[in-house]
Amino acid sequence: DAGVTQSPTHLIKTRGQQVTLRCSPKSGHDTVSWYQQALGQGPQFIFQYYEEEERQRGNFPDRFSGHQFPNYSSELNVNALLLGDSALYLCASGSGTGNNHEQYFGPGTRLTVT
Amino acid sequence: AQSVAQPEDQVNVAEGNPLTVKCTYSVSGNPYLFWYVQYPNRGLQFLLKYITGDNLVKGSYGFEAEFNKSQTSFHLKKPSALVSDSALYFCAAGSGGYQKVTFGTGTKLQVIP
Repeated sequence: DAGVTQSPTHLIKTRGQQVTLRCSPKSGHDTVSWYQQALGQGPQFIFQYYEEEERQRGNFPDRFSGHQFPNYSSELNVNALLLGDSALYLCASGSGTGNNHEQYFGPGTRLTVT
Repeated sequence: AQSVAQPEDQVNVAEGNPLTVKCTYSVSGNPYLFWYVQYPNRGLQFLLKYITGDNLVKGSYGFEAEFNKSQTSFHLKKPSALVSDSALYFCAAGSGGYQKVTFGTGTKLQVIP
């Protein structure tokens, strides 16, 4: 059983460019959350997708957007990249119903903006 | 607003000694609490969780945590530390029906041989 997978592993972009990160949830999971982890910090919640809709959002600007596909996989898009967007981006999947609240994290995508 | 505090940036402990990594939280309503471990250049690995039930929660790799509602704490413990436990530990808290959690800033655990 594959866990949460993310692609690419590493990415280098230039300021002002746009980037798309991808996530496939663990089998049986239907909810995907995205987190940004800056160097030396804890993960910060960006948003969560369930049933192809954004269900919750953290304190991130509109430059950060996402999408969830019918197969529950998800994309995170960041427009007009800033140097401060350099971070490890983590995807977590879980079950959208029930009270488990447990999330499984992928290995992350390391984004470097130069 | 939810918040999680991990007051120690780093904890040093000798191999074989008990370890404690501290965490306090602030959420509205009943909390659900997690501990995760992160090794260099890796994602987060789940250690244990508290949703309801017994205040002492047992998790992976011999770790346990004690939920204390009056002190709003959820400290991570292990009776005997291993060098391989050296890593970055994150406490996380949430409440409500969804899975949005707030993470602490992390505590680096260093187990000294």
